[in-house]
Amino acid sequence: EVQLVESGGGSVQPGGSLRLSCAASGFTFSNYRMHWVRQVPGTGLVWVSRINGDGSTTNYADSVKGRFTISRDNAKNTVYLQMNSLRAEDTAVYYCARDSASIDYWGQGTLVTVSS
Amino acid sequence: DVVMTQSPLSLPVTLGQPASISCRSSQSLVHSDGNTYLNWFQQRPGQSPRRLIYMVSNRDSGVPDRFSGSGSGTDFTLKISRVEAEDVGIYYCMQSTHWPPYTFGQGTKLEIK
Repeated sequence: EVQLVESGGGSVQPGGSLRLSCAASGFTFSNYRMHWVRQVPGTGLVWVSRINGDGSTTNYADSVKGRFTISRDNAKNTVYLQMNSLRAEDTAVYYCARDSASIDYWGQGTLVTVSS
Repeated sequence: DVVMTQSPLSLPVTLGQPASISCRSSQSLVHSDGNTYLNWFQQRPGQSPRRLIYMVSNRDSGVPDRFSGSGSGTDFTLKISRVEAEDVGIYYCMQSTHWPPYTFGQGTKLEIK
């Protein structure tokens, strides 16, 4: 069974940093691209970032480019999102998701709140 | 960026009746490889999204056959042949033909009348 478990969310002040983790199981992790998608509670889904299977290629939404960094450790079956220079508008539930013929499985999400 | 526009945004449906959600893209979603990367997701209250349909019309494993997807180019439709209580939630279309970024529709909230 595919499982994606996010962690690392919490409250942080504007300008601060957080690192999200997503532990994957139930599939051969290194064979799959992985994504981060966020959702402000009560609103829609917004794609944030993507990383390919070996970690050599990454892509970002313009809104996070230069502030967020996606990475992965295939030995640990984990994908990360390092978030720096956080802003109030980054407040959201962050989901990690697997890519098989596009995004298929999603984690349960972790809430990030940016507030003074 | 490709803009995805769903309609309606709110969809009250009687149990057992059909439902239909439209999704339109601001440009053709036909990829240079010939495939069309249009997907549909369901998000039940309090849950993470779940993919129902990929590449326009392919149902994911475990998805009831009352769900179907169709369309081409810029116009796509998700149909539920007979709505059940467990279908309540928000439905999103998403394109992954022209990326980055992947883009989602605004969501359609299905509720039971």
